[in-house]
Amino acid sequence: AQSVTQLGSHVSVSEGALVLLRCNYSSSVPPYLFWYVQYPNQGLQLLLKYTSAATLVKGINGFEAEFKKSETSFHLTKPSAHMSDAAEYFCAVSESPGNTGKLIFGQGTTLQVKP
Amino acid sequence: DADVTQTPRNRITKTGKRIMLECSQTKGHDRMYWYRQDPGLGLRLIYYSFDVKDINKGEISDGYSVSRQAQAKFSLSLESAIPNQTALYFCATSGDRDYNEQFFGPGTRLTVL
Repeated sequence: AQSVTQLGSHVSVSEGALVLLRCNYSSSVPPYLFWYVQYPNQGLQLLLKYTSAATLVKGINGFEAEFKKSETSFHLTKPSAHMSDAAEYFCAVSESPGNTGKLIFGQGTTLQVKP
Repeated sequence: DADVTQTPRNRITKTGKRIMLECSQTKGHDRMYWYRQDPGLGLRLIYYSFDVKDINKGEISDGYSVSRQAQAKFSLSLESAIPNQTALYFCATSGDRDYNEQFFGPGTRLTVL
C-alpha cells in the first residue's frame, strides 16, 4: 500500500532563505505525486504535481519539486522564502495511477517564515 | 464565487446529535470526496463518490454516512456525533480527465462537546 512521510512537522526559515520541505513516499507502482498548500482558514490548493513526465516539476508561487525514484523522494523547494509562504504544506500520492484518483496525504509540514 | 462550497463553516454540537455537512460544486465534476483533517495526521478519506450512483467507503468511514443527491451535491452525516469526531472536514472534487487533481472546499470546523 502506498504511504507518504513528511519529515518535520514544523519548518522555520528566514525571509529570503531557501525553503526545503521533505517528502518520501512508498509505492509499488510508478506514483503520481502532489504538493498541496493550505493557508490559514482555507482549503487546500494544488501547488504542483508529478505524473511521470519531467522529474523536475515547477509549480505556482516559485515552488518546485524533484522526483527522485532512487531515493523515493519528492522534496519541495523554493529559492527565496516570502512571508506569504507561511502555510501548511501537504505531500500526497495517488493511490493507484490510472485508477481511482484517491489521494493519500502526508501528515503536513507547517512553514513559518520569520522577518 | 467559489467552485466548491461547504456549509456550515463552523458547527458546535453535543454528543449524540445528528449532524449533516453539505458540499456543493459548480465545477461540473463527477468525482467528490470527504476528508477529515486532524493535527499531525494530515487528511484522511472518509467517503468518495465517482458519480451519483457510485459511493465508496474510504479509510475511516465508521460513524459516518453520505448522500450524493445530485452531481453537484455530496453530504456527509454523523448519525450520532461523538467528541473524537471533532475535526476539520473538507469536501473535494475532481474531473474525469484529470482525476488526480482535486479541488477543495474551504472546510467545516466541527466541534462535538
